[in-house]
Amino acid sequence: SQQGEEDPQALSIQEGENATMNCSYKTSINNLQWYRQNSGRGLVHLILIRSNEREKHSGRLRVTLDTSKKSSSLLITASRAADTASYFCAARGSARQLTFGSGTQLTVLP
Amino acid sequence: NAGVTQTPKFQVLKTGQSMTLQCAQDMNHEYMSWYRQDPGMGLRLIHYSVGAGITDQGEVPNGYNVSRSTTEDFPLRLLSAAPSQTSVYFCASSLTGVNEKLFFGSGTQLSVL
Repeated sequence: SQQGEEDPQALSIQEGENATMNCSYKTSINNLQWYRQNSGRGLVHLILIRSNEREKHSGRLRVTLDTSKKSSSLLITASRAADTASYFCAARGSARQLTFGSGTQLTVLP
Repeated sequence: NAGVTQTPKFQVLKTGQSMTLQCAQDMNHEYMSWYRQDPGMGLRLIHYSVGAGITDQGEVPNGYNVSRSTTEDFPLRLLSAAPSQTSVYFCASSLTGVNEKLFFGSGTQLSVL
C-alpha cells in the first residue's frame, strides 16, 4: 500500500510562476521527504521534514507538513525550465521502510 | 566521487533466465536498498541492508535475492526472471538510515520477454 500520494498527477506552468505539489499519507509518520527525478535518471533528494516540524526551506523550495491533515506540500518559487521533472514524496511510518508516492510530473514552459 | 553506480543500464532477459544487477557506492554508507519503479506506481522497496552481512526484505521481495559481503557492494539477483519483473531498478544508499536522505544510482532498465 502506498503511504504517500501526490496531487496533481501532472502540472504545467510558465517559467517564473510558482509550482505547488501536494502529498497525502495514511498513517502517522516519522519523516517525509521530497525527491526529484529527471527523465531517465535516478531520484535526487530535495528536502526532509520531520514530524515535529511544520515548515522547511531550501533555496527556492518550501515544504510544509500538517500532521493533523496527514498532508505535505512542496512549493517551488520562480520556476525555471530546468525544474521540469517528476517530483515524489516519500513517507517513513513506524516501519523501517520508506514508501513513495506515484509522483507529480511538472512541466515548466519557457 | 562516483556516488552510487549501477550496472548494466539496460538488460533484456528471457523468461527463466537469471542475472545479477550490480550496485556499488563509494561514500562509505552503511545503509543500502533496492527499489523497483513501475509506471504509475512510484518506487517499491525490494530488499535493504543496514550493514555488511545484514539484509532484510522490503515490500516486494519475492523472486529476488541479495547479499552484502562488503560495505561498498549490494548486488540484486533475479533467480528465474518473469515478465512481471520488467521494471526499472534503482539502488540507493544512505549515511543515516534506509529511510533517510537516499542517494540513488541512475537505474537499470530490465525487460523480461
